[in-house]
Amino acid sequence: GQQVMQIPQYQHVQEGEDFTTYCNSSTTLSNIQWYKQRPGGHPVFLIQLVKSGEVKKQKRLTFQFGEAKKNSSLHITATQTTDVGTYFCAGITDSWGKLQFGAGTQVVVTP
Amino acid sequence: NAGVTQTPKFQVLKTGQSMTLQCAQDMNHNSMYWYRQDPGMGLRLIYYSASEGTTDKGEVPNGYNVSRLNKREFSLRLESAAPSQTSVYFCASSELGQQFFGPGTRLTVL
Repeated sequence: GQQVMQIPQYQHVQEGEDFTTYCNSSTTLSNIQWYKQRPGGHPVFLIQLVKSGEVKKQKRLTFQFGEAKKNSSLHITATQTTDVGTYFCAGITDSWGKLQFGAGTQVVVTP
Repeated sequence: NAGVTQTPKFQVLKTGQSMTLQCAQDMNHNSMYWYRQDPGMGLRLIYYSASEGTTDKGEVPNGYNVSRLNKREFSLRLESAAPSQTSVYFCASSELGQQFFGPGTRLTVL
């Protein structure tokens, strides 16, 4: 079964607002990656987090890896229409050793 | 530098037909992967190849076979297509963790 869970599944955001999507694993992750997929497109790598408690920023995007390495979050500030798409987290679980993707958070931005 | 390429982009099959999805990468990566993407399910790993000459099953391998022809190419074969295999198929390659995805093949099995 799916060990990497993402919430929410859908997120409607007004342009200019902030939002956060969360990724949780039932087991410890050796690392966590985030990908973005535009409608009709393919997943594109955004970032990888490896260390417990790690925080990385890319312009308006802030990524965090939990202290226990079982959860992660992506926070987007001042959402723009270019942020539309589905955001996937993917982690390598110790039990399997391969990248396992969450189901994704689909983001819709209202102008 | 084309990255990861996939053919065909779209395909419609009848139940029981066979076909091969082609994937090639020009980044000299050792690892290559085949995923399927279904609504609400994220990406699920079908097969992967850690290096030329090796292949291993992923999470959902039933009904599929793969061939790592050389370092560049990794093909996915459906021997007898079933409606449950209707999906979008992505090939990916990776080095040092980051995965690079191809544009995908949209397959419908009637």
